[in-house]
This record gives sequence, structure tokens and C-alpha cells, in this order.
Amino acid sequence: GENVEQHPSTLSVQEGDSAVIKCTYSDSASNYFPWYKQELGKRPQLIIDIRSNVGEKKDQRIAVTLNKTAKHFSLHITETQPEDSAVYFCAVRIKAAGNKLTFGGGTRVLVKP
Amino acid sequence: GAVVSQHPSWVICKSGTSVKIECRSLDFQATTMFWYRQFPKQSLMLMATSNEGSKATYEQGVEKDKFLINHASLTLSTLTVTSAHPEDSSFYICSSAGTLRYNEQFFGPGTRLTVL
Repeated sequence: GENVEQHPSTLSVQEGDSAVIKCTYSDSASNYFPWYKQELGKRPQLIIDIRSNVGEKKDQRIAVTLNKTAKHFSLHITETQPEDSAVYFCAVRIKAAGNKLTFGGGTRVLVKP
Repeated sequence: GAVVSQHPSWVICKSGTSVKIECRSLDFQATTMFWYRQFPKQSLMLMATSNEGSKATYEQGVEKDKFLINHASLTLSTLTVTSAHPEDSSFYICSSAGTLRYNEQFFGPGTRLTVL
């Protein structure tokens, strides 16, 4: 089955700096790559996603890049703010596998004021 | 995005009892619902996928006789944890997917199960 690895597992940044989280996946049939933010005890919230026919997508301070050849995609958060502190999960979906999502292990981000 | 609710939000039960968790999609028809389990400081692990009117498909290692899933309508799926044990204590999250936006999954708020 699909294997998704996420790095780093923890990330501490100073407010205003950038944060980058990277995920690699194993199945080249993967076609959808969402990123979720989860605060303690809450549901995962979709913050940005990208489809396999696009290389980059940006939404204000958040961007995602996809390298299909290398099978990795990254989340970039610029001008970090304390409210960006949370756990971030990448996920991968294979349409042929019934639209199931396989999640990475998560990255705990702490933005220090 | 679509709204998905779960009930209860938390439950404490004695070992050996059964617990039912409901997942409802409130404003769209969910052709597929997914059930995840999340242990503290870990990722979401898919337990099973259910399509309305069909039997659920369980992931490897998940006991179908212990985690009963029913998806009787396009707006409701239930997960019953039978004969719960302390090791079943976890955060259970459902998600619903329909025909909205690339089959995006919309997550429920989760149910915290504690088995004493």
C-alpha cells in the first residue's frame, strides 16, 4: 500500500520566519495531496491541497509544491504567526483506491513570539 | 465546506461494554464515509471505508467484528465499538465524502473514547 513519510516531526520557528514541511510518497498513482492543520483535540482542517496536474499552489501565506518525478510535496508557511502553532499532516490519495487518504506522521509546529 | 457532526463528543465506559458513535453529514449526501482512529501524538489511521447501503471495507489489522460500521443512509454512519477494552481508548474521527470538490473529505469533530 501507499507509504507517506513526513519530516520533520517537530519544528520550532521564530515568529515571522518561514516553516517548511516535506512529505514523500511511494505510489506514483497518487493524484491528490492535501495538507491539514489540527489543533489539540480538534478535527483536522484542510488548509491547502494540490492535484497531480499542478506543480505549485499558493493561498496567502501558505503554499504547496509538488514534484511528481521525485514523489514529494512540501508545505511552505511564510511570515509565521503564533496562531500557526499546531500539528500539520500531509496526506495522499489514490483515486483508484476508493479515494482513501493515507496520512503522514505529522509535524508539530511551534511558533515562538 | 460541508458540515459533519459526531455524537457523542466524548464518552467514558466500563471495560466490556459497547459504545456507539454517530457521524452525520448535515448539508450534503455522503456517498462514502471513512472512520479513523488517532492515538495521542500520533497520526490518523484509517480503520474502514463505508459506502451507503454496502458493507464496510476494513483496513488490514482492524477487526470487523469488534468495530461494527453501519452506513444506512447518505447522511448517517455509525461505529460501534463492541466489548471495549482500555486499549480501545482513542480519538475516533469520521469523515464524509460525496460529489463535492474532487471528492474532498470533510471531517467530523471527533469522539474521545475512554475505556476504564
